[in-house]
Amino acid sequence: DGGITQSPKYLFRKEGQNVTLSCEQNLNHDAMYWYRQDPGQGLRLIYYSQIVNDFQKGDIAEGYSVSREKKESFPLTVTSAQKNPTAFYLCASSKGDSVNQETQYFGPGTRLLVL
Amino acid sequence: AQSVTQPDIHITVSEGASLELRCNYSYGATPYLFWYVQSPGQGLQLLLKYFSGDTLVQGIKGFEAEFKRSQSSFNLRKPSVHWSDAAEYFCAVGVYYGNKLVFGAGTILRVKS
Repeated sequence: DGGITQSPKYLFRKEGQNVTLSCEQNLNHDAMYWYRQDPGQGLRLIYYSQIVNDFQKGDIAEGYSVSREKKESFPLTVTSAQKNPTAFYLCASSKGDSVNQETQYFGPGTRLLVL
Repeated sequence: AQSVTQPDIHITVSEGASLELRCNYSYGATPYLFWYVQSPGQGLQLLLKYFSGDTLVQGIKGFEAEFKRSQSSFNLRKPSVHWSDAAEYFCAVGVYYGNKLVFGAGTILRVKS
């Protein structure tokens, strides 16, 4: 079955620690996205990538970093500079063959908690 | 800047009753509009989308939505709600060039038996 997988389901971060969230897709999509979800705020875009080896900041990129070395993978690192990392993180992908009118498909999410 | 407003944070309906979830958007051009549903602790599932054409859009699970340009709205409806519809519903508008989505804050639907 084609889809998006995120791991781990739960992640705990200690003070000053960097942690990396995994996102993998086998949909052959070019574009991938990372969103942060906080209660009552909907989803906010952190980073997105429309092609391998290229990515752009979203609305709340500070304290986060990404890489896109493979088409299938778009890992997100939450750095120690992110002072309020507790949230639900969602990865999404879309075909990427159009400048617009694309549908994004979402993974199951990773919940990050601070110890 | 583009934005999406979902005026109702929580809605409670009886099983079998009809449902309407409101969504208003602010966007300077013709919008691409989406409704997603999220069960607790899960990812988002696409219910339906509007890109162009017929303003009444049918989706999965018996949901439909109507695009009204004059009211900048894209309300989600279902004629008869089932207990399994209890979830959080998000409306989103697609931004040209970059395929970014701007989400509303969500509406939590509770279904009482």
